[in-house]
Amino acid sequence: GQQVMQIPQYQHVQEGEDFTTYCNSSTTLSNIQWYKQRPGGHPVFLIQLVKSGEVKKQKRLTFQFGEAKKNSSLHITATQTTDVGTYFCAGPSSGYSTLTFGKGTMLLVSP
Amino acid sequence: DGGITQSPKYLFRKEGQNVTLSCEQNLNHDAMYWYRQDPGQGLRLIYYSQIVNDFQKGDIAEGYSVSREKKESFPLTVTSAQKNPTAFYLCASSISGFADTQYFGPGTRLTVL
Repeated sequence: GQQVMQIPQYQHVQEGEDFTTYCNSSTTLSNIQWYKQRPGGHPVFLIQLVKSGEVKKQKRLTFQFGEAKKNSSLHITATQTTDVGTYFCAGPSSGYSTLTFGKGTMLLVSP
Repeated sequence: DGGITQSPKYLFRKEGQNVTLSCEQNLNHDAMYWYRQDPGQGLRLIYYSQIVNDFQKGDIAEGYSVSREKKESFPLTVTSAQKNPTAFYLCASSISGFADTQYFGPGTRLTVL
């Protein structure tokens, strides 16, 4: 079945450093979504990318969708302690009835 | 105030007992989902429902049951057949069941003693 893989599984950075997480799908995706889960919280939708090569920005966060629509990345510039959490990517499952989530990248930011 | 509610936030049960987790939404969404989250395992789909009175098994349905008698409600029962039920359970909903954006409830942390 379809697989969505994320790397790294975990990253610890100093405040002010940049951070990138990568998402790779075993199949071509019609779209990809990104979610953030704060410690002890629940996943919250961040953004959806639809077009091949699409780049979207939300303040310090930059999201990219690969040209082949099989991979995506989330880059955070100059991390802050408020960026702490687990970032998940998700793509439509085969059959398009649900989402397949990656296992997430846990980001820890030290002040 | 629209959203998804799950209750209770923390739940303790003795081994061998069935337990039902509540999930209610007032977003008028057609589709609802149940996920299980364990450390390092991401979100694993238990059951989903795209419409009232219909639901489908997800990747890890064994030991769980659901019902969808009302659009707003999608309760999950963790049965005694579930071998390792201690986990964080998340309910979500989406406008339709076609891989739409999902909106999550606050979750229920179940501990089976």
